[in-house]
Amino acid sequence: AQSVSQHNHHVILSEAASLELGCNYSYGGTVNLFWYVQYPGQHLQLLLKYFSGDPLVKGIKGFEAEFIKSKFSFNLRKPSVQWSDTAEYFCAVNGVTGGSYIPTFGRGTSLIVHP
Amino acid sequence: DADVTQTPRNRITKTGKRIMLECSQTKGHDRMYWYRQDPGLGLRLIYYSFDVKDINKGEISDGYSVSRQAQAKFSLSLESAIPNQTALYFCATSASGYEQYFGPGTRLTVT
Repeated sequence: AQSVSQHNHHVILSEAASLELGCNYSYGGTVNLFWYVQYPGQHLQLLLKYFSGDPLVKGIKGFEAEFIKSKFSFNLRKPSVQWSDTAEYFCAVNGVTGGSYIPTFGRGTSLIVHP
Repeated sequence: DADVTQTPRNRITKTGKRIMLECSQTKGHDRMYWYRQDPGLGLRLIYYSFDVKDINKGEISDGYSVSRQAQAKFSLSLESAIPNQTALYFCATSASGYEQYFGPGTRLTVT
């Protein structure tokens, strides 16, 4: 079965600090990878996705992620965070199981950015 | 209008009661999902459906049932609610392998 591990459960940063959130997955086949963001009191929204091609993908609001196949990782980065980035971040994997894509989410990372 | 809607948005119910959460989507996707979110546990998949006649159990289906009434409608039922089913419930929809679109969530409290 596929699984997703997010290493940082809680991250606290000051504005303008750089951010990197770790995500590793276990799955032997083809995967599609996602990062979602959940702002306080809201539903999950897509931040960025990777299906194939350039392993460095750019998303909304200055976020980017790098897929490293050999490490089964898909880490999220942002060079300079803002107070408005305070949210919960989820890494997710769609792997093929029984011929169909099944989604699996990590436990999430809570990010607090102090102004 | 929102792509995925959920009703009710908030619900308080008593132990042993039957409750239904409803979800509708206008994305035209075949796939629909129900998740529950608990602090520190992320999103856990309860049930998913690839089309009206294809319904599958997810990671934590015990105590829950679902009905796919139409391509656009997917409801979740708690046959006999218990306090540890207190959680935030999300419905989502997607095309195969692609990103999911989430509803606003239903906050359920079982007393």
